Amino acid sequence: DSGVTQTPKHLITATGQRVTLRCSPRSGDLSVYWYQQSLDQGLQFLIQYYNGEERAKGNILERFSAQQFPDLHSELNLSSLELGDSALYFCASSVGGQIGSYEQYFGPGTRLTVT
Amino acid sequence: AQSVTQLDSQVPVFEEAPVELRCNYSSSVSVYLFWYVQYPNQGLQLLLKYLSGSTLVKGINGFEAEFNKSQTSFHLRKPSVHISDTAEYFCAATGGFKTIFGAGTRLFVKA
Repeated sequence: DSGVTQTPKHLITATGQRVTLRCSPRSGDLSVYWYQQSLDQGLQFLIQYYNGEERAKGNILERFSAQQFPDLHSELNLSSLELGDSALYFCASSVGGQIGSYEQYFGPGTRLTVT
Repeated sequence: AQSVTQLDSQVPVFEEAPVELRCNYSSSVSVYLFWYVQYPNQGLQLLLKYLSGSTLVKGINGFEAEFNKSQTSFHLRKPSVHISDTAEYFCAATGGFKTIFGAGTRLFVKA
């Protein structure tokens, strides 16, 4: 158990809909990262937040957005969903804000299926 | 631009045999390098990381990796694998505030 929790575990929704994925980092970690894992794209870094502020951006679509709240939990919002958004979405957390220099702890993921 | 290439998509190996999973990277900036393991239906777990210093890095579960700057490689090795090492292994590089993962190598350990 990494200490990172994600809800829900599974999500099935229809095209065009909007969903919110939630992540609670390990106690004491200030950074939260979001990743998307799919068969055709592999593991893609989406975005990082550090202590409530956006720190780094990866291959995140404009239809996707994220935020980190004062209690440090984070939410990833996916809107106007398409079939290609079906994937496993991981959240990770780390102590510090400089991506890479701190070990990242991954949650168990949320499996999103868009039908 | 930054990229990570894992040269083998699948590596079958017999139990107690040695294994090497290959990773090459390219980057215009200095990078930190990582190996993660993903067991079925689980998130990724850090095996080891290279930030600076000694080029031979030891990780968990008996794995080690060697950073070779001239060859831009960061290959993962284990001298004797177990059935429980069957998993997907990801090489990753972080530079300029972005992390790039390789496509993954599925290690399959046979009895």
